[in-house]
Amino acid sequence: GPKVLQIPSHQIIDMGQMVTLNCDPVSNHLYFYWYKQILGQQMEFLVNFYNGKVMEKSKLFKDQFSVERPDGSYFTLKIQPTALEDSAVYFCASSFPGGASNERLFFGHGTKLSVL
Amino acid sequence: QQQVRQSPQSLTVWEGETAILNCSYEDSTFNYFPWYQQFPGEGPALLISISSVSDKKEDGRFTIFFNKREKKLSLHITDSQPGDSATYFCAASASWGNEKITFGAGTKLTIKP
Repeated sequence: GPKVLQIPSHQIIDMGQMVTLNCDPVSNHLYFYWYKQILGQQMEFLVNFYNGKVMEKSKLFKDQFSVERPDGSYFTLKIQPTALEDSAVYFCASSFPGGASNERLFFGHGTKLSVL
Repeated sequence: QQQVRQSPQSLTVWEGETAILNCSYEDSTFNYFPWYQQFPGEGPALLISISSVSDKKEDGRFTIFFNKREKKLSLHITDSQPGDSATYFCAASASWGNEKITFGAGTKLTIKP
């Protein structure tokens, strides 16, 4: 089936540094999402993105967070500066608008971020 | 305040039995309820979903029962197999479109052979 690829699978950085998480969504999808999951627990919505704009963001999407997808390349989540509480697995997802398939969010395998 | 609640937190059943996972929600505008299956080290994958206009959705060994009045739903897995061992997330959304999906905390299901 369709694949969402996330790069890297694991990132270890020092607190205060900048990190960029990369997502290669399904090729014809137009909506993109980031979710945060701590210790295999609840998936928490961070942000969704469409047509170059943030559509909705949650309280977890702090000012230090930003997203973009320049020229149809990777959909990225940047955290600058990072904090200890940012340690989690970050999942990217994408979906296609309209039709029967719009109910499906396809998730990547996640990037495990460890902030030391 | 959790908008989607799941119980139990963990569940163990024997192979061949029926596993029942419960879910309830708060927001009356939710009208689409997907269930996701997640294996360790992987992202969640859509297993089965239901809209609020239906009270039952079946796909093979997986069935969703939905009670709109009580804002409750449940996932039944019949003839459970060891390969069904995973974490199951109940989720909800306010439309069929591209609104965000709100997840419950998950039920970790273990099937004993």
